[in-house]
Amino acid sequence: DQQVKQNSPSLSVQEGRISILNCDYTNSMFDYFLWYKKYPAEGPTFLISISSIKDKNEDGRFTVFLNKSAKHLSLHIVPSQPGDSAVYFCAAYNQAGTALIFGKGTTLSVSS
Amino acid sequence: DAGITQSPRYKITETGRQVTLMCHQTWSHSYMFWYRQDLGHGLRLIYYSAAADITDKGEVPDGYVVSRSKTENFPLTLESATRSQTSVYFCASRAGVDSPLHFGNGTRLTVT
Repeated sequence: DQQVKQNSPSLSVQEGRISILNCDYTNSMFDYFLWYKKYPAEGPTFLISISSIKDKNEDGRFTVFLNKSAKHLSLHIVPSQPGDSAVYFCAAYNQAGTALIFGKGTTLSVSS
Repeated sequence: DAGITQSPRYKITETGRQVTLMCHQTWSHSYMFWYRQDLGHGLRLIYYSAAADITDKGEVPDGYVVSRSKTENFPLTLESATRSQTSVYFCASRAGVDSPLHFGNGTRLTVT
């Protein structure tokens, strides 16, 4: 059973608009979450993270929001740029804190 | 250059053959990981290692063997390759608890 879920396989947004990528998790013991970005033929690269003691973390155009009661997090990209077109993975550290559990990914397409 | 490198980038092998994918990191990170990426499944953990000579199974370990005699190397061996092991394999490492994983650029393996 999937513990980290990204229910939208794809998202299309126009340049300059906001992109919102969503992620749900099932295990309330998860306490550290990360977003990764992946271009074709490259490995995933770390984008931004959030600890469960916070509900928001910002880094430039990227903001991650965490709603612990709903077991939901989202990544906001403002403004979106064509170079943001990639697959975005949501991930959470397992209970032991030893390994990352990934969602299936959302493909973001930003058109100019 | 510092970082994490995987070799080969591409590999085609036949069913039943043994094949080893190599991973080398120059950061002296304690933790190393092997993931596979498949359409519809995202990234799934195969094996991980907390330190030299310490390895543990992930979500999909069957058919794979790992070893870690040196901190910087973490090879993944398919003892008798099957078509279901056709995938893109990513190696990753991390410095410590709650640190992000840093990924290599992957090995695309095709089993015919």
